[in-house]
Amino acid sequence: GAGVSQSPSNKVTEKGKDVELRCDPISGHTALYWYRQSLGQGLEFLIYFQGNSAPDKSGLPSDRFSAERTGGSVSTLTIQRTQQEDSAVYLCASSLILGGQPQHFGDGTRLSIL
Amino acid sequence: RKEVEQDPGPFNVPEGATVAFNCTYSNSASQSFFWYRQDCRKEPKLLMSVYSSGNEDGRFTAQLNRASQYISLLIRDSKLSDSATYLCVVNMIDVWDFNKFYFGSGTKLNVKP
Repeated sequence: GAGVSQSPSNKVTEKGKDVELRCDPISGHTALYWYRQSLGQGLEFLIYFQGNSAPDKSGLPSDRFSAERTGGSVSTLTIQRTQQEDSAVYLCASSLILGGQPQHFGDGTRLSIL
Repeated sequence: RKEVEQDPGPFNVPEGATVAFNCTYSNSASQSFFWYRQDCRKEPKLLMSVYSSGNEDGRFTAQLNRASQYISLLIRDSKLSDSATYLCVVNMIDVWDFNKFYFGSGTKLNVKP
């Protein structure tokens, strides 16, 4: 399809394990965004990429979180040594240019830490 | 204090009613404003942008008040299909030239037959 694709759709893992979430944006979209949505909460902005560059990492909740993007396309969000408070839906979005609208969202990865 | 605040609701209204939501933002340097809609367990989707002069799209009207730092969404002639959570979104560029995107926690609307 032509939309934003995220994988896995669901991930259940034990506390302390590392997880890697993947986002495949719409082809040609230079901007990519990662958000986190906890139960009953709004979207928490984590990080954005302009091309392969993420100039502002201040939104990442802790140093256990990292993200990268290669080839101006696929991005991965990695959470090391997961904690129960990391449980949330992680949403990825892309837009044609940075700040452009709309941001097209993927279906998200539902992460559950046991 | 949150960057963007919304009344979580829920707003329970009958079909055909007019309903309005407000959203306040804390940073006067905020530059762009939007309303997104999110259906239960689905991804957010852009509903409309919000312009200083106010804008209308069918039954939906959005307004921006920069002096009071709030935006509003008015829905006329509510339909059952309008039932969703409405997210207020603010975009700004900070002093380090970083883009910031702030989503409110959403206002839930239930339209009843």
